[in-house]
Amino acid sequence: RKEVEQDPGPFNVPEGATVAFNCTYSNSASQSFFWYRQDCRKEPKLLMSVYSSGNEDGRFTAQLNRASQYISLLIRDSKLSDSATYLCVVNYNFNKFYFGSGTKLNVKP
Amino acid sequence: NAGVTQTPKFQVLKTGQSMTLQCAQDMNHEYMSWYRQDPGMGLRLIHYSVGAGITDQGEVPNGYNVSRSTTEDFPLRLLSAAPSQTSVYFCASRPRQGLRNTIYFGEGSWLTVV
Repeated sequence: RKEVEQDPGPFNVPEGATVAFNCTYSNSASQSFFWYRQDCRKEPKLLMSVYSSGNEDGRFTAQLNRASQYISLLIRDSKLSDSATYLCVVNYNFNKFYFGSGTKLNVKP
Repeated sequence: NAGVTQTPKFQVLKTGQSMTLQCAQDMNHEYMSWYRQDPGMGLRLIHYSVGAGITDQGEVPNGYNVSRSTTEDFPLRLLSAAPSQTSVYFCASRPRQGLRNTIYFGEGSWLTVV
């Protein structure tokens, strides 16, 4: 079983739409959670950390549900520039981070 | 800011050849790691290091060696390349302290083994 699982998509949405991704993780001892963004043929870059109480950064909202072991990312008012692959990342050992395979988002005009 | 620098960006190897992927960071980060990324698999940890002189295995270490003689450098050696090692390789670094510290990635090395 994979440590972190994501729907690969693609999610095809029009500009201005709201879209949400979920990610499930297998280890209940997981301590920290992140969303990374990866553009085609580029390196991953941190989008946002995910806190237990949920957190927001502009149009992006992240939620954590420890009981069900999933995290979510909500993107409001999608922009063309949001088109990318979104990677869910989980850590339960300080030295090891587990990456999901990513969810691809295509925002269309 | 240089950040994490990887070389080469592209490489084609023949089966059985050896090579070293270079990685250097200028942020004085204690923690460095190597990942490979394959379609549908996500990033998988190959080896990591928590400081100079200390290395450990990740999820997929077979066929790879690493060393960490300085804080700045963390080269990845392919001992005898196999087609299964065709992948994109990312070097990464982060400060050791703090669970929420950002991982910084290099731009990636595209390796093809024929």
